[in-house]
Amino acid sequence: EVQLVQSEAEVKKPGESLRISCKGSGSFSFTSSWIGWVRQLPGKGLEWMGIIYPYDSDAKYNPSFQGQVTISADRSTNTVYLQWSSLKASDTAMYYCARRAVDWQPLDYWGQGTQVTVSS
Amino acid sequence: EILLMQSPGTLSLSPGDRATLSCRGSQSVNANYLAWYQQKPGQAPRLLISGASSRATGVPDRFSGSGSGTDFTLSISRLEPEDSAVYYCHQYGTFPLTFGGGTKVEIK
Repeated sequence: EVQLVQSEAEVKKPGESLRISCKGSGSFSFTSSWIGWVRQLPGKGLEWMGIIYPYDSDAKYNPSFQGQVTISADRSTNTVYLQWSSLKASDTAMYYCARRAVDWQPLDYWGQGTQVTVSS
Repeated sequence: EILLMQSPGTLSLSPGDRATLSCRGSQSVNANYLAWYQQKPGQAPRLLISGASSRATGVPDRFSGSGSGTDFTLSISRLEPEDSAVYYCHQYGTFPLTFGGGTKVEIK
């Protein structure tokens, strides 16, 4: 079974930095899959932020999020990260990681989500 | 960027009814790389359909997808109370990947 387990909810102040994580386990090759991040603003729809190939850390970003976040991977621990250097209140959202098994396949397995709240 | 427009915004139907959800792309979806997801409150999205018409493992055959090019449809026959959710279409054939705005299905 494929499992993606995300880090716990975070409450931060504007201007602070943050890194959230997504750890893969189960019967799949983490380093040979793509892991993406999806944002869901409160009461809104899904937005694709970007995706990374942990084998070589090749990352592709949605232009809307390029420069606003950084996606990275640690092959040794089967973990992918999403980080911000300076949070804004508008970053308050639920963030999901999800697996894309091979090129041009949909996001099939999803993490449980990490709620990020940014408030002064 | 391929914009996906879903309609209607909300569907209110009775158990046993058939639901028809539409997803229209601003340009042709590459190789029909179009998926549908179901999201219930407080849960992560669940993959229902990929490749426009292939059901994911464990998805009941009441759910079916069709379409090609720019026009796609998700049909749910014999609605059950558990089908109450928001449904999103998603194109995964062209970067940036994009999602539609969602259709909320309410069961009366």
